[in-house]
Amino acid sequence: GAVVSQHPSWVICKSGTSVKIECRSLDFQATTMFWYRQFPKQSLMLMATSNEGSKATYEQGVEKDKFLINHASLTLSTLTVTSAHPEDSSFYICSARDEQGGESTEAFFGQGTRLTVV
Amino acid sequence: GQNIDQPTEMTATEGAIVQINCTYQTSGFNGLFWYQQHAGEAPTFLSYNVLDGLEEKGRFSSFLSRSKGYSYLLLKELQMKDSASYLCAFMDSNYQLIWGAGTKLIIKP
Repeated sequence: GAVVSQHPSWVICKSGTSVKIECRSLDFQATTMFWYRQFPKQSLMLMATSNEGSKATYEQGVEKDKFLINHASLTLSTLTVTSAHPEDSSFYICSARDEQGGESTEAFFGQGTRLTVV
Repeated sequence: GQNIDQPTEMTATEGAIVQINCTYQTSGFNGLFWYQQHAGEAPTFLSYNVLDGLEEKGRFSSFLSRSKGYSYLLLKELQMKDSASYLCAFMDSNYQLIWGAGTKLIIKP
């Protein structure tokens, strides 16, 4: 099946610094990628939809200036958490669908990134 | 509006069968998914139903009734490694996934 690679798997950073998370589709092209955040014992919360070659679409309540998304190619989307604070500590997961053939079905997930801000 | 609901937690015995229900409401529907998620890991795909009926895949089966807005995931011959959270999600008319909060399944020996 299709593979989505997310890097890094975990990161610890100091409050006030920025962290970049990469999401790559390894064997398919993804026009659209999705970024989720998941707090302990809670479900996935969609943060934004990343569109190749255009601006990301953010969900209500998500600060676009704090969570910068760049989708520069059909296989790479990045999420940068700027000026991170301890409350940004969470599990961040990206996903993408193999949309070749026109029918969007299964969403493939990256491994997730555990961010801890100290 | 859209909403999706599943039980918060269930407990079952090793070797037994368990059914996890999921109900949803939406005006546009493009299929229902079940994912398994172990603690600290990303979800992994289990099943996708877009037509009514039962889809069987080894020990796991998934059922969908579009008219009732209802799905269930059936797990047979439970093993300890099946202890995980099970997430249901439907795809809306914009092909966006709407996620349930997940059902934590606890397997006891």
